[in-house]
Amino acid sequence: QSALTQPRSVSGSPGQSVTISCTGTSSDVGGYNYVSWYQQHPGKAPKLMIYDVSKRPSGVPDRFSGSKSGNTASLTISGLQAEDEADYYCCSYAGIFLFGGGTKLTVL
Amino acid sequence: QVQLVESGGGLVKPEGSLRLSCAASGFTFSDYYMSWIRQAPGKGLEWVSYISSSGSTIYYADSVKGRFTISRDNAKNSLYLQMNSLRAEDTAVYSCARIVSGWDYYFDYWGQGTLVTVSS
Repeated sequence: QSALTQPRSVSGSPGQSVTISCTGTSSDVGGYNYVSWYQQHPGKAPKLMIYDVSKRPSGVPDRFSGSKSGNTASLTISGLQAEDEADYYCCSYAGIFLFGGGTKLTVL
Repeated sequence: QVQLVESGGGLVKPEGSLRLSCAASGFTFSDYYMSWIRQAPGKGLEWVSYISSSGSTIYYADSVKGRFTISRDNAKNSLYLQMNSLRAEDTAVYSCARIVSGWDYYFDYWGQGTLVTVSS
């Protein structure tokens, strides 16, 4: 049960796009389309942003998109806004759940 | 609206025990799988355990297997986590989360969490 690998931090200017990667193995990320992404602001509960690799819950802006290639899933945020600054976590389900270590997004 | 409210956290000595509760409302509790997820201070999210809607299927993270027990009472709309043989590394905010399962597997609602501190 090893955690999925995410970059510790990414940054971008308002209006730009950033991509956060999430690398696992063929037994988790690569083997199933059960990758989800969560946004967490300081002191707040995580919020679901993407599920099933690329599906957006209602209410999540279409600036947020997800994809997967092999054992690596990605979250792309386009048209960065100040309120996007937060920690982002990927999660994979393969009988059990595995989280990534989290990525801190800084909007410059 | 969906609400998940955790309770039962506090300060406990190493090797001690604690029982966490999660009160659910705003949805049919007995229809959903539920999970416990923890976050150590300044650290990332760590999945701890989940239980199926009927309670018949349970899984644990290796880090807590044999020490923690998840359970639920559908009549009381409540989820529990019995934590025994606690260690310093179990110090974290423990949150319950609702799982969407079946064709999908993800957490759609989270509680605010309850802090567990293991220290002598």
